[in-house]
Amino acid sequence: EAQVTQNPRYLITVTGKKLTVTCSQNMNHEYMSWYRQDPGLGLRQIYYSMNVEVTDKGDVPEGYKVSRKEKRNFPLILESPSPNQTSLYFCASRIQQGNTEAFFGQGTRLTVV
Amino acid sequence: AQKITQTQPGMFVQEKEAVTLDCTYDTSDPSYGLFWYKQPSSGEMIFLIYQGSYDQQNATEGRYSLNFQKARKSANLVISASQLGDSAMYFCAMRGKLIFGQGTELSVKP
Repeated sequence: EAQVTQNPRYLITVTGKKLTVTCSQNMNHEYMSWYRQDPGLGLRQIYYSMNVEVTDKGDVPEGYKVSRKEKRNFPLILESPSPNQTSLYFCASRIQQGNTEAFFGQGTRLTVV
Repeated sequence: AQKITQTQPGMFVQEKEAVTLDCTYDTSDPSYGLFWYKQPSSGEMIFLIYQGSYDQQNATEGRYSLNFQKARKSANLVISASQLGDSAMYFCAMRGKLIFGQGTELSVKP
C-alpha cells in the first residue's frame, strides 16, 4: 500500500530537548516536504527536498533542520524546541514538484512545554 | 511570489444543498495549477481535485467541481448535494512548492 508514515503521532516534550520526527514514503517519490499547521494560518512549508541530498528552506524554516540521505526518508529535526513550535506537523511526498498530487502522512501533534 | 487566499474561515450549509468555497490566488507563472484538499476532524489530508491553468474545461470529480476563473484569479470549489461527511477543513493549494491557503471550515447541518 502506498503511504507516507510519520512517527510519532503525538509528542509532548520540554523546551530545549532535541527531537526528531521521522517521515518515510514507499512510493519512490523524489519530492518531499514538511509543513506545520496552525489555526487560521493553514499549512506553511518548513523545508522541502527535490531529491537525495537536495534540500531547501520553505517559508518558516527557523528552528528546524532536515536531511535527505535516502530517497525514502526525510526526518525533521528540532535541535532546541521552543513553545512556539507547538503545532501539527505534516510530511508530504510527490513524484516530483509540479502538478502531481501530494501524499500526506498522518500528522504529528507536537507540544513543547 | 505565489500566494493563496481563502477568505471564509467558516461556513455552514444545509445537507443536500450545494456550497462554494472560495480561493483566490496570485502568481506570476504563466503555467500554474490549483489543488483542493479536505481535512476531516481525524486530521488526514485527502486530495480532492486539481486543475491546471491550461485545462480547457473545469475539473470535476464526483460531487466536487472547480469553478476556475482565470481573469478573476479564482479557483473555487463547488460541492454539490452536501453530505454530513463533508464537514471538514478545506484547503486550496498552488502547485509547485504546494503553497496552501488558510483553509475554510465547512459544517454541514442536518
